[in-house]
Amino acid sequence: GQSLEQPSEVTAVEGAIVQINCTYQTSGFYGLSWYQQHDGGAPTFLSYNALDGLEETGRFSSFLSRSDSYGYLLLQELQMKDSASYFCAVRVLTGGGNKLTFGTGTQLKVEL
Amino acid sequence: NAGVTQTPKFQVLKTGQSMTLQCAQDMNHNSMYWYRQDPGMGLRLIYYSASEGTTDKGEVPNGYNVSRLNKREFSLRLESAAPSQTSVYFCASSEAGGSQGQYFGPGTRLTVT
Repeated sequence: GQSLEQPSEVTAVEGAIVQINCTYQTSGFYGLSWYQQHDGGAPTFLSYNALDGLEETGRFSSFLSRSDSYGYLLLQELQMKDSASYFCAVRVLTGGGNKLTFGTGTQLKVEL
Repeated sequence: NAGVTQTPKFQVLKTGQSMTLQCAQDMNHNSMYWYRQDPGMGLRLIYYSASEGTTDKGEVPNGYNVSRLNKREFSLRLESAAPSQTSVYFCASSEAGGSQGQYFGPGTRLTVT
């Protein structure tokens, strides 16, 4: 099976940088994804790492170390609208589909 | 381009009743998924369909059935609802590869009394 660990809650101030860590244990690992979910909303895709290293998309970056079974999401220049839950998810090999197992999520609170 | 749509948005059932949650996508994706999300929890995969004509069980399939009606539509059926199935249900779709992510519908909030 798969298991993922991420902090349940992180608080940061507007304009700051915050890092949300994710460690995983899984067989058949193929990649690590990150999703954002605002209260009452649907998850939205942020990033995907299949190889070691840093992927940057605007204010958000995601990092993966396959040897350490570890990744993180880095949010820069935090804005109030970034207050949301962030989920890491591992992609595992199946018979053709893109099957994900999600962590329990990190609630990010951005304060003034 | 509506993306992923789900009906209904809200539903209240009595224990033992049955219902079908509908999902459709207009992005020409091969793969579709059904998840449930309980308070303070991540999403748990119920069933998925890697491509039209195939379905497979996820983490929590007991009490559910699915039908991949065609490439666009993937329905989830509760044959005999139980209070433990009170949850928010999300449908998602994706290409077969992982780099583009999964696209989620707005969810169905189901309460079983």
